[in-house]
Amino acid sequence: EAQVTQNPRYLITVTGKKLTVTCSQNMNHEYMSWYRQDPGLGLRQIYYSMNVEVTDKGDVPEGYKVSRKEKRNFPLILESPSPNQTSLYFCASSLRAMTGGMRGGGYEQYFGPGTRLTVT
Amino acid sequence: GENVEQHPSTLSVQEGDSAVIKCTYSDSASNYFPWYKQELGKRPQLIIDIRSNVGEKKDQRIAVTLNKTAKHFSLHITETQPEDSAVYFCAASIKEAAGNKLTFGGGTRVLVKP
Repeated sequence: EAQVTQNPRYLITVTGKKLTVTCSQNMNHEYMSWYRQDPGLGLRQIYYSMNVEVTDKGDVPEGYKVSRKEKRNFPLILESPSPNQTSLYFCASSLRAMTGGMRGGGYEQYFGPGTRLTVT
Repeated sequence: GENVEQHPSTLSVQEGDSAVIKCTYSDSASNYFPWYKQELGKRPQLIIDIRSNVGEKKDQRIAVTLNKTAKHFSLHITETQPEDSAVYFCAASIKEAAGNKLTFGGGTRVLVKP
């Protein structure tokens, strides 16, 4: 089954304790991205990756790190979590990276099930 | 950077009526505008998208229009049904040096009353 998976789905942790949220897709997608969703603020992009070893900052990258060593995986790392990082996190992927030419399709982003993180 | 504003934040309609959600964006270089629907407790799912070289696109009861000059785009849902109740997000994609960022609006909570 084609899907985007995230682990863990729920996590309660304490300030400063490093954590990693994994994201994996089995669709051979080029583009992967992390978002956080907060009430009243919608979805905000944290980091994205156009392909293996190509990553860049989204709108709210502070306090997060990512890596893309393999095409299928795009982990989100919080080196020193703080309470303001309490949020619902979504990983997403799309077949193709949105480029200037935008020819053809494959830009639909498929979202993972979400990870609810609480930092106390 | 890109800024996307979405209105209204909540919308209540009677079943069978139409619903319209409007979004404006700030960067004229944005070239791709998807709309996502998120039901309660679920992940967002794409319902329709439009590229900057197209003015309107329809898919059954939903349609999106784009006005590049005014930098706004709208989602139209006709003959609304209770299953249309959800939060809807618009977004705009802009090409940065290393790739494409996607900026979302704040969302519109739509309630369709039977």
